[in-house]
Amino acid sequence: EVQLVESGGGLVQPGRFLRLSCAASGFTFDDYAMHWVRQAPGKGLEWVSSISWNSGTMVYADSVKGRFTISRDNAQNSLYLQMNSLRAEDTALYYCVKGGEDMASYGLDVWGQGTTVTVS
Amino acid sequence: QSVLTQPPSASGTPGQRVTISCSGSSSNIGTNTVHWYQQLPGTAPKLLIYSNYQRPSGVPDRFSGSKSGTSASLAISGLQSEDEADYYCAAWDDRVYGVVFGGGTKLTVL
Repeated sequence: EVQLVESGGGLVQPGRFLRLSCAASGFTFDDYAMHWVRQAPGKGLEWVSSISWNSGTMVYADSVKGRFTISRDNAQNSLYLQMNSLRAEDTALYYCVKGGEDMASYGLDVWGQGTTVTVS
Repeated sequence: QSVLTQPPSASGTPGQRVTISCSGSSSNIGTNTVHWYQQLPGTAPKLLIYSNYQRPSGVPDRFSGSKSGTSASLAISGLQSEDEADYYCAAWDDRVYGVVFGGGTKLTVL
C-alpha cells in the first residue's frame, strides 16, 4: 500500500523552528518528485515547496522562501521540511505529497494525512 | 488571492450535472496541464483528474475534465450526495516556478 506519514508538527513560538518529516512506503521513493502543501484552518490549499527525485532542484513559494528548506533522503525513503523563523501565518496542516517523475507534470497523486503546525 | 480562479460555491440536486470552472493564465493553464482534487470534509485531498482529463484508477467516470486555452472545467454528472466536498484545480506555473492552486469550490448537493 502506498503511504505517506508525516510527523514533527506541534505548537511553537513565533521566531522559533520546527522540522517536519515524512516517511514514504509502498512505492519507489527515488523515482518521484515530492512536495509539501499546507492548509490553514478553514482555508484552501497552498503549495509550499517541491524537490526533484535526486534533490537537484528545490523550489519554494514566495511566502516561505529563505525560511524553509526542503530535503530528502532516498536511502531512508524520507522527505523533510526545515522551517525556521516561524510566523503566525505559517499555522496550518502540512501535507506531504507524492508527485510525478518531474515536478511540473502529472498530479499530486498520494497525500499523507498531514501534521499540524501551530505558531503562537 | 489565488493565482487560479474558481467560483467559491456550486450546487446541484441528485442526478444533475454540475460544472466547476478554473481560470488561469498563459504561464500556468495555458502552458501546463491541469489537475483537480477532491477534499471530503475532514480528510486529505485526493487526486480526481490529472493531465486535464485523465482519471486515476478508481475514480468514477461521472467525473470528467477539460481544458481550453487558459481555462479548465470539471464536470460531475449524475450528482450524488457523497460528491459534497471542496474541489480544487491546480497547475504548474512557469512564472512562479511552482504549483498554483485555485481557491477551491465548495459543492453542495441539495
